[in-house]
Amino acid sequence: QKEVEQNSGPLSVPEGAIASLNCTYSDRVSQSFFWYRQYSGKSPELIMSIYSNGDKEDGRFTAQLNKASQYVSLLIRDSQPSDSATYLCAVITLGNTGKLIFGQGTTLQVKP
Amino acid sequence: NAGVTQTPKFQVLKTGQSMTLQCAQDMNHNSMYWYRQDPGMGLRLIYYSASEGTTDKGEVPNGYNVSRLNKREFSLRLESAAPSQTSVYFCASKVVTGQETQYFGPGTRLLVL
Repeated sequence: QKEVEQNSGPLSVPEGAIASLNCTYSDRVSQSFFWYRQYSGKSPELIMSIYSNGDKEDGRFTAQLNKASQYVSLLIRDSQPSDSATYLCAVITLGNTGKLIFGQGTTLQVKP
Repeated sequence: NAGVTQTPKFQVLKTGQSMTLQCAQDMNHNSMYWYRQDPGMGLRLIYYSASEGTTDKGEVPNGYNVSRLNKREFSLRLESAAPSQTSVYFCASKVVTGQETQYFGPGTRLLVL
């Protein structure tokens, strides 16, 4: 079982809709969770981090964490064509300090 | 303030050739990382350096060596390139501000024939 799993997609949503991106992780002692956005041919950039159970909102982005279910998600409200990219989930596990474990990424397509 | 820079941007090698990928950061970060990214595989950690003078293996270190030359620079060396090392290589550095944010360089596209 991969340590961090994402559906590779593509996930296609119409402009203005909510895009929901999901990620599961296998190590129960994982402590820090990140969402990176990567445009085609570019490097990843951090868009959200979350450390405790619940929701964290930043503009149109909401990260949700459920440690009991080992599940982290990213919601993008009012999706725009400029949100079309690959979204990478990453996890830091206790005892593995500083080393990010990435999922394979989910490709999001927002259609005008 | 250039952030994280990488050279070269693109390289073609023949099997068995060697090369060094260069990475530098001007943000005074202690930790630096080398990743490779292959289609459908996400990013995989090759080597990292928690601080100047230290290096450790990541998930996929075989076929690579690294040098943390000083606080700013972290190089990745392929001694004898193989087609399986065709990939996009990203360098990253990290500051701990409560967010464990890693900043990535623009990447090096390597093709081994």
